[in-house]
Amino acid sequence: QVQLVESGGGVVQPGRSLRLSCAASGFTLSSYGMHWVRQAPGKGLEWVAVISYDGRNKYYADSVKGRFTISRDNSKNTLYLQMNSLRPEDTAVFYCAKDYRSEGSNLDYWGQGALVTVSS
Amino acid sequence: AVQLTQSPSSLSASVGDRVTITCRASQGVSSGLAWYQQKPGKPPKLLIHDASNLEIGVPSRFSASGSGTDFTLTVSSLQPEDFATYYCQQFYFFPLTFGGGTKVEIK
Repeated sequence: QVQLVESGGGVVQPGRSLRLSCAASGFTLSSYGMHWVRQAPGKGLEWVAVISYDGRNKYYADSVKGRFTISRDNSKNTLYLQMNSLRPEDTAVFYCAKDYRSEGSNLDYWGQGALVTVSS
Repeated sequence: AVQLTQSPSSLSASVGDRVTITCRASQGVSSGLAWYQQKPGKPPKLLIHDASNLEIGVPSRFSASGSGTDFTLTVSSLQPEDFATYYCQQFYFFPLTFGGGTKVEIK
């Protein structure tokens, strides 16, 4: 069965960096686009970034463009999100999610999420 | 970015009620829309893909329709496990965007 497990969350000071990982299993990672979606405490869902199945295409939300970088290592079945210049408003649960197709469409499987808290 | 406006933002309903949630896009997204259900402390679950297609394993009391700018999600007979927050999401344009959510509560 499809499984997505995020790791790397924690408490970080404003301006610092953090890298999230998402370990994928139960499907062929190299065939699907992958996303990061976040949810601030008590708020709705906010799409963050997507990477195409082969890593060639990447798209970002305006709120994170230039600060966050999505990447993947299909040989390790792992998705990453490098987050730099973190701000208090980046505090959220970050979910990785599998795309229905190769790049950007429906998100059919989600991890349980990793909490990132940006605070001094 | 495409804005998705869901209405209502919350509703109270009873078990057995028919419930309809709408999602309006600020520009046409063709059939590039999905619906999700989220319960507290859990990740979202895909209910409907490509505007009107029921995801495998989702009960048939859920249905959806629409294309372009106006979409609806309907639960024909609300069950206790359906009390949750529902989100629409468009994927026709980057950046992808979600609606603000509709919280369905027990009356």
